[in-house]
Amino acid sequence: EVQLLESGGGLVQPGGSLRLSCAASGFTFSSYAMSWVRQAPGKGLEWVSAISGSGGSTYYADSVKGRFTISRDNSKNTLYLQMNSLRAEDTAVYYCAKALTMIVVVSSFDYWGQGTLVTVSS
Amino acid sequence: DIQMTQSPSSLSASVGDRVTITCRASQGISNYLAWYQQKPGKVPKLLIYAASTLQSGVPSRFSGSGSGTDFTLTISSLQPEDVATYYCQKYNSAPPSGTFGPGTKVDIK
Repeated sequence: EVQLLESGGGLVQPGGSLRLSCAASGFTFSSYAMSWVRQAPGKGLEWVSAISGSGGSTYYADSVKGRFTISRDNSKNTLYLQMNSLRAEDTAVYYCAKALTMIVVVSSFDYWGQGTLVTVSS
Repeated sequence: DIQMTQSPSSLSASVGDRVTITCRASQGISNYLAWYQQKPGKVPKLLIYAASTLQSGVPSRFSGSGSGTDFTLTISSLQPEDVATYYCQKYNSAPPSGTFGPGTKVDIK
């Protein structure tokens, strides 16, 4: 059974940093691209970033480019999102999501974690 | 960047009604289009990918169509458990991004 478990969310001041983790199990982690998707309270879904199975290719939404860094450790079956220079508008539930296929990096997502809440506030 | 729009933003229909939601891309995206259902307080669920391919386990009353810039999600006979917000998502096509539409909220009349 595929499982994705996010952690690392919390309250952080504007300008601060946070690192999210997503522990994966139930599939060959290194074979699939992974993404982070966020959802601000009461708002819609926003794709944030994607990384290839090997970690060699990464993509970002314009809203986080230069501030967030996606990475993965395939030996630990874990996905990360390093978030720097955080702003109030980054407040959201952050989901990690597994790519449906092994072919593309930015894919549709067949499994999602339960999410971790990041609140940026002074 | 390619923008995704959806219409309507919300709708209310009766049980058994046929419901259609439209998604439009600002540029052609071939068939790189997925649909998700998100019930209140729940994680999004993949319904359709490649514009018209039903994800395993999804009821056959859901269907998708379209290619290029215009896409539709159809619920052939609305059920009470279909109350949710539905999102389209563009993926893979250049530039690589997974942009979502703003969502369509579906309620029972």
